[in-house]
Amino acid sequence: ETGVTQSPTHLIKTRGQQVTLRCSSQSGHNTVSWYQQALGQGPQFIFQYYREEENGRGNFPPRFSGLQFPNYSSELNVNALELDDSALYLCASSLDGASYNEQFFGPGTRLTVL
Amino acid sequence: GNSVTQMEGPVTLSEEAFLTINCTYTATGYPSLFWYVQYPGEGLQLLLKATKADDKGSNKGFEATYRKETTSFHLEKGSVQVSDSAVYFCALRNQAGTALIFGKGTTLSVSS
Repeated sequence: ETGVTQSPTHLIKTRGQQVTLRCSSQSGHNTVSWYQQALGQGPQFIFQYYREEENGRGNFPPRFSGLQFPNYSSELNVNALELDDSALYLCASSLDGASYNEQFFGPGTRLTVL
Repeated sequence: GNSVTQMEGPVTLSEEAFLTINCTYTATGYPSLFWYVQYPGEGLQLLLKATKADDKGSNKGFEATYRKETTSFHLEKGSVQVSDSAVYFCALRNQAGTALIFGKGTTLSVSS
């Protein structure tokens, strides 16, 4: 069974640019959640996708957007990058959306904005 | 709103010492509670969980009891090992069931 994978591992961008991060969910999972983890902080919920629809969103501006594909993999897009967007971005996969099933986390993508 | 507060780190212990990491929460209703662990360079791993009051979650020698009266979920281990060195996060699941709300994390460093 393949776990949650994320790409790329590291990324460096400059202010104002756009970035796309990718996540492949664990086999059999239909739900992907994205979190932002700033240095020294706990992860903060960005949004969740369930069966290709946004299923819940945290307190993040619209320049954070996402997609989920028919194979349940997902992308996180961030437009107009700001310095404060520098963080570790974690994706987690689970079963059945807003449920009490465990979320399994990937290793994350480290984004640095200069 | 929902929030989790956990003790500031770092916590530095010798091998075989007793560990407590305090965690309290604010939430509507009775959320499920979790402890996650993050080893260097890795993603979060679920360590243990409890879904209702007085439940005790346990795994790998770690334990935590869901205390509704004190809104707490303190993590304990009787004898830590060097391999337990990591960052520990307390978390709760929101009422909608979609998001995990995390504390800021506590770094544990165990020396031999």
